[in-house]
Amino acid sequence: DIQLTQSPSFLSASVGDRVTITCRASQGISSYLAWFQQTPGKAPKLLMYAASTLQSGVPSRFSGSGSGTEFTLTISSLQPEDFATYYCQQLKNYPFTFGPGTKVDIK
Amino acid sequence: EVQLLESGGGLVQPGGSLRLSCAASGFSFSNYAMIWVRQAPGKGLEWVSAIRGGGDNTYYADSVKGRFTISRDNSRNTLYLQMSSLRADDSAVYYCAKGFGSGNYYSDYWGQGTLVTVSS
Repeated sequence: DIQLTQSPSFLSASVGDRVTITCRASQGISSYLAWFQQTPGKAPKLLMYAASTLQSGVPSRFSGSGSGTEFTLTISSLQPEDFATYYCQQLKNYPFTFGPGTKVDIK
Repeated sequence: EVQLLESGGGLVQPGGSLRLSCAASGFSFSNYAMIWVRQAPGKGLEWVSAIRGGGDNTYYADSVKGRFTISRDNSRNTLYLQMSSLRADDSAVYYCAKGFGSGNYYSDYWGQGTLVTVSS
């Protein structure tokens, strides 16, 4: 199975900060990567697919990049509603594994 | 409006069985892959299973293979997850999600989840 790691696991930031989260795959996955946002008690929300394509309705302050084994999710200016946990997911090979998550908290 | 509503969760003893359902509306159900993802309390997301739009191909995580069966009834717009030989580590909120297409498993819409607790 393809393993995903995320760094950092936890991030403390302020409103207006630029935030970058990294996702690394144990083998090449081309651009078959999605990013999700989850707030407590809620279902995950798709932010990005195919590594860098913004899902409809997602604010443009979110961006994604990368291919192969290293990917990043960037929030250009953190907003109060962005404090959440972020997960990457690979869709190159079954099973379609998720990363362990990065929690973004308020500084 | 796309809506996914899971049901069937509850308390079950170790070794028991449970069937989850996911009622879909607002899209042409048979044209889209469907996915089950679970989340144990306080833990991360775990992909469980997926099925193509026509129901002809199914996929499972190693942790549930041989114990769980995914299926769909396209005439009823409903997705199922039959779970058997349940263990304590199967306790989780189970989400169903809709794929981008019949064989495209990016998950764009999710239900609110149903809680399964495996305990004696």
